[in-house]
Amino acid sequence: GAGVSQTPSNKVTEKGKYVELRCDPISGHTALYWYRQSLGQGPEFLIYFQGTGAADDSGLPNDRFFAVRPEGSVSTLKIQRTERGDSAVYLCASSRQTGELFFGEGSRLTVL
Amino acid sequence: GEDVEQSLFLSVREGDSSVINCTYTDSSSTYLYWYKQEPGAGLQLLTYIFSNMDMKQDQRLTVLLNKKDKHLSLRIADTQTGDSAIYFCAVYNYGQNFVFGPGTRLSVLP
Repeated sequence: GAGVSQTPSNKVTEKGKYVELRCDPISGHTALYWYRQSLGQGPEFLIYFQGTGAADDSGLPNDRFFAVRPEGSVSTLKIQRTERGDSAVYLCASSRQTGELFFGEGSRLTVL
Repeated sequence: GEDVEQSLFLSVREGDSSVINCTYTDSSSTYLYWYKQEPGAGLQLLTYIFSNMDMKQDQRLTVLLNKKDKHLSLRIADTQTGDSAIYFCAVYNYGQNFVFGPGTRLSVLP
């Protein structure tokens, strides 16, 4: 597609539920990043894929968070047993090997 | 790890120049970026500079890089009300992730 696409744009869930957030990067971009942005803050790194493998997952806050990119294109961020503190905008971005990072519009997650 | 700092707020009058500053800690950073975020929207790449440059100009935007002081700035000439947004500085090194600052909220007063 023309840009990075993220779905859903908004997700409201209850504490303890499981959620999946999807990212469809720009065609041909091998690198894919997930960031989390809380209100009034800058994007916080979660995980970075180069192709199908997670090159750096050091930003995942705990083992409730997991992300996959099985075919080197679309990625899914999975959050188990959601907590209220997980509420944030989850941003996906993609880039060529080096250089510009292009962001999607984000998925706003609200945990009640 | 890398740490990126920015002042949080800036107010300017319409028509004046705005200068947004950023400092970082990792001298090996290869690319340095400025992103703009409007309310409820994603991050829009405005411009970036490679670390072997010290200045880049793109229409109303001028980026200055002082590698010795690890200081990056974004100057917006003839600031307009449509420039009101949050501006994020970000730094990148090969094989690593992009690290963002906390953002500077620019308010343009009529």
